Amino acid sequence: QKEVEQNSGPLSVPEGAIASLNCTYSDRGSQSFFWYRQYSGKSPELIMFIYSNGDKEDGRFTAQLNKASQYVSLLIRDSQPSDSATYLCAVGGGAGGGNKLTFGTGTQLKVEL
Amino acid sequence: GAVVSQHPSRVICKSGTSVKIECRSLDFQATTMFWYRQFPKQSLMLMATSNEGSKATYEQGVEKDKFLINHASLTLSTLTVTSAHPEDSSFYICSAGFRAHTGELFFGEGSRLTVL
Repeated sequence: QKEVEQNSGPLSVPEGAIASLNCTYSDRGSQSFFWYRQYSGKSPELIMFIYSNGDKEDGRFTAQLNKASQYVSLLIRDSQPSDSATYLCAVGGGAGGGNKLTFGTGTQLKVEL
Repeated sequence: GAVVSQHPSRVICKSGTSVKIECRSLDFQATTMFWYRQFPKQSLMLMATSNEGSKATYEQGVEKDKFLINHASLTLSTLTVTSAHPEDSSFYICSAGFRAHTGELFFGEGSRLTVL
């Protein structure tokens, strides 16, 4: 059974700091990795996806993947109060659409003024 | 990105009644849609995979006779909660994938069901 583990938090960081969110997964066959942001009472929205080992940067966000360690992380630079939300890590078996994803329980991030 | 619309966003019903939730892909055709349920402060739990033109595939522990899924067209999937009970109160979210994209899911806005 696929498992995706995240620290539930809350993770508190001051405004302008770097927030580091971590996720581990159990299925070595996993091929696609996603980070979603979910505000309270809302549905998840995609932040980033990554398929290959290494780093992938998009604006203030950087996703890092290490398949050997079964570890994926999300860095948020210059954190803003609007980044305060729950961040869900999701893992899938492969790219190509219609993906069945397994979600972690999410890490709550609080960016403090 | 692709747009998935879900309706209604909120519904309150009496115990024993049935509720239908619609999920539409607005600008793409979705051969596969996924239905998730999320309880407060918990993660998304996959309930079933809805396949256009065929029966849905349910996850272990999800009663297929209670949660009826119909995917009659490439742009519409419906979830009907039959004989709803208070313990069915939850946030139901649909999502769809698009083959030409990179594999990510696009989520509907979610439907908050409260059963009295």
